[in-house]
Order: sequence, then structure tokens, then C-alpha cells
Amino acid sequence: GAGVSQSPSNKVTEKGKDVELRCDPISGHTALYWYRQSLGQGLEFLIYFQGNSAPDKSGLPSDRFSAERTGGSVSTLTIQRTQQEDSAVYLCASSSLFHGADTQYFGPGTRLTVL
Amino acid sequence: QQQVKQSPQSLIVQKGGISIINCAYENTAFDYFPWYQQFPGKGPALLIAIRPDVSEKKEGRFTISFNKSAKQFSLHIMDSQPGDSATYFCAAARSGNTPLVFGKGTRLSVIA
Repeated sequence: GAGVSQSPSNKVTEKGKDVELRCDPISGHTALYWYRQSLGQGLEFLIYFQGNSAPDKSGLPSDRFSAERTGGSVSTLTIQRTQQEDSAVYLCASSSLFHGADTQYFGPGTRLTVL
Repeated sequence: QQQVKQSPQSLIVQKGGISIINCAYENTAFDYFPWYQQFPGKGPALLIAIRPDVSEKKEGRFTISFNKSAKQFSLHIMDSQPGDSATYFCAAARSGNTPLVFGKGTRLSVIA
């Protein structure tokens, strides 16, 4: 079946602009995660959705970052007033409590460049 | 506070040799320890994972060794091949589909 998909694959924006990044998880997966991978760094957790529960936003670096998940499926990560330090690869992952529990399947990522 | 420490940052191994990557964690609540493999331009892919009820897990050429008392775990790649050249990340989490805490990664190069 289809894996996790993300769009766009690349995004170049100017400092101060808002950007939206999209994630389509694997169908039926109840958990969805956003991570950020900066150059030379590991993966940093941003936000996590589990079913209908309130999202865990503890990893968001500032209030310029927000995310929503509509209908328990597609998620959008929004970065307002982008800064150069926001340049990174944004990765989305999904997992299921019932199939390969705890295994997170990652999308290919969106490479964000803020000029 | 870095909850998962990974070493080395980079590793060069001869084809056919053994690649060893080590990780240490701090949070004793963690009970799920996966290793991910990432090729350039791709998202990470699960390679192998272990839970604390066993000390070792082997899948093909890949083995995880786990030491609960030392809070350490390691990845061994036997008979390393050039196709294994990638970045490897260890991670830790609490069971139940919770966010992963990643190490900073090890860039492995297998040379012929």
C-alpha cells in the first residue's frame, strides 16, 4: 500500500513569509508525528497527534509553529513569519496501535529553505 | 539535555567488516529502542527494534545488543556492504506510539 506522503518536496521562501507543509499518513494510522531534521543534526520532535486526543505540542520551538490534523488523516504544519533558522527538512511519520505497534513510518520530507 | 547519546558521529568500515554503533539513554521509562537507516534525500526507514525484555535481537546481518542496567544499546552490522553506506539513527520511546527521541546519527561509509 501507499506510504506516508509529503508535499511539497522542496519549498524556498523568503524570510517573514508563512509556509504550509502537508502530510498524508498511511491510511488507518491513528498516530501522526512531525519532526525536524536540521543540517548535521538528529531528528527533533515537534508535535504529535494520537486519535482524537489533544495534540502534544511540547516540541514546537516557538509560537510561530502550529499544526492541525483534519478528519484524523491529513495534517498541515504551518510556520508563520519564517526565519532563516527554520531552514531544515520537515519529516512526517505515522503509526498504528494495531499494525506493527510503535513502528513509525516516515515520509520523504519537505526541505524548507528560508532566504 | 540530550536524552539519547550516539557514537561515533562517523564510521568508515572495510567491505566485509563489522560496523558497530553505540547509544546510551537516560530516561528509564523508555521501553522501545529502534534503529533507523536513512539514505540521502529519503526519510528514515526502520531497520530493527528491540524491547528491554531481551538482550539481543538479530535480523539477517543486523543485530541489536541491549544492556538495561547500563542503559546502553548498540547496532552491529555484520559483513558490511557498500550498500549499507547511510546514516544510522538510534532512538528511544515509551511504548504506545509515543514520539521518538533520536540520537544525532552516525554516518557509515563502507569502502571496498
